[in-house]
Amino acid sequence: EDQVTQSPEALRLQEGESSSLNCSYTVSGLRGLFWYRQDPGKGPEFLFTLYSAGEEKEKERLKATLTKKESFLHITAPKPEDSATYLCAVQPFLNNNAGNMLTFGGGTRLMVKP
Amino acid sequence: EPEVTQTPSHQVTQMGQEVILRCVPISNHLYFYWYRQILGQKVEFLVSFYNNEISEKSEIFDDQFSVERPDGSNFTLKIRSTKLEDSAMYFCASSDRGALDEQYFGPGTRLTVT
Repeated sequence: EDQVTQSPEALRLQEGESSSLNCSYTVSGLRGLFWYRQDPGKGPEFLFTLYSAGEEKEKERLKATLTKKESFLHITAPKPEDSATYLCAVQPFLNNNAGNMLTFGGGTRLMVKP
Repeated sequence: EPEVTQTPSHQVTQMGQEVILRCVPISNHLYFYWYRQILGQKVEFLVSFYNNEISEKSEIFDDQFSVERPDGSNFTLKIRSTKLEDSAMYFCASSDRGALDEQYFGPGTRLTVT
């Protein structure tokens, strides 16, 4: 069974204090790994897709990396507006055919204090 | 910027009643999805829909659930006889090319079953 585990569950940072969020995954075959941001009471907002180990993507203060077993979301010099829940999701192969479903982790709730 | 819209934002219904949740995907997208998130839990995949038929569904998506694209713009999720455990936030999503393509989520419909 495909599993996605995110850690920590919650993270408090001071503004400007860089850190990393972890997403560990177990899938029979990984087609892609997705990072989303979710604000309270809203739908997930797409951030990145990573396809293969060693790949990195950046957007403003966020940088996502991927290995064969985990992904990291690095947050550099965060601001209060970066406060949100960050979700990791994997898109597995299904029965040797391409599948579109996403399997999500539980998320990391990030709080950045000014 | 195009976005996925969902109505209603909040639906309250009594156990055993039928509900229809509505979504308008992004106009040029071809793949449509429903996910749900029970309060405090992970986002869970329900079903994906392409070319007027279900392409994947999870174990959650049993005979009580159905999806339909009644016209060129709407995508609906019907729950025939709601149960207390169906209370959750239901998210519609759409993507352009399917596998490995980012899925764009709507703001969600909060379903409360009493």
